[in-house]
Amino acid sequence: KNQVEQSPQSLIILEGKNCTLQCNYTVSPFSNLRWYKQDTGRGPVSLTIMTFSENTKSNGRYTATLDADTKQSSLHITASQLSDSASYICVVSVIQGAQKLVFGQGTRLTINP
Amino acid sequence: SQTIHQWPATLVQPVGSPLSLECTVEGTSNPNLYWYRQAAGRGLQLLFYSVGIGQISSEVPQNLSASRPQDRQFILSSKKLLLSDSGFYLCAWTRGTPSSYNEQFFGPGTRLTVL
Repeated sequence: KNQVEQSPQSLIILEGKNCTLQCNYTVSPFSNLRWYKQDTGRGPVSLTIMTFSENTKSNGRYTATLDADTKQSSLHITASQLSDSASYICVVSVIQGAQKLVFGQGTRLTINP
Repeated sequence: SQTIHQWPATLVQPVGSPLSLECTVEGTSNPNLYWYRQAAGRGLQLLFYSVGIGQISSEVPQNLSASRPQDRQFILSSKKLLLSDSGFYLCAWTRGTPSSYNEQFFGPGTRLTVL
């Protein structure tokens, strides 16, 4: 069964601090792994996309890593800002005719001043 | 540029009533279209996807149906809503040619509450 599991479920940190979110997946056939940011009541917005051959990818203060052997990924946020408060969702893509995404349940990140 | 619209933004419906949610995409042609549901505290669940007009694939058995009457229009329907149909419904699109790097763009969502 295709699954994506994330930890922690929720996280609270102070503004300016760094944090790392974790993702484990069992998805086949694997196409790529994405991290999305979802503000409350809004649709998800893509942060990074990585294929199995990519180990790391950055987007500003967001850096994603991928270990395709252990099927683990992480999202590191540097120098957090209040606007980083959101749910961060790990998503694995498969291609079966159309592109299909398998979503994790997300990590709810709260940045406190 | 491409944009995706969903309406209504919020909806409160009684149990047993019908449902129709609409999604339209602008600025592209032959997109792949998707309907997702997000229950409170849960991850997004793929409900339906479509690779062309009249072509609908269902991912999970349920009380809902989908239709694609036009290239850039995707409709989610139900004849009789259940309490368990409550949730946040998201429409999304990708370019029609499957590619590992195809971005999937999400609409603003519809918050459905069934009472």
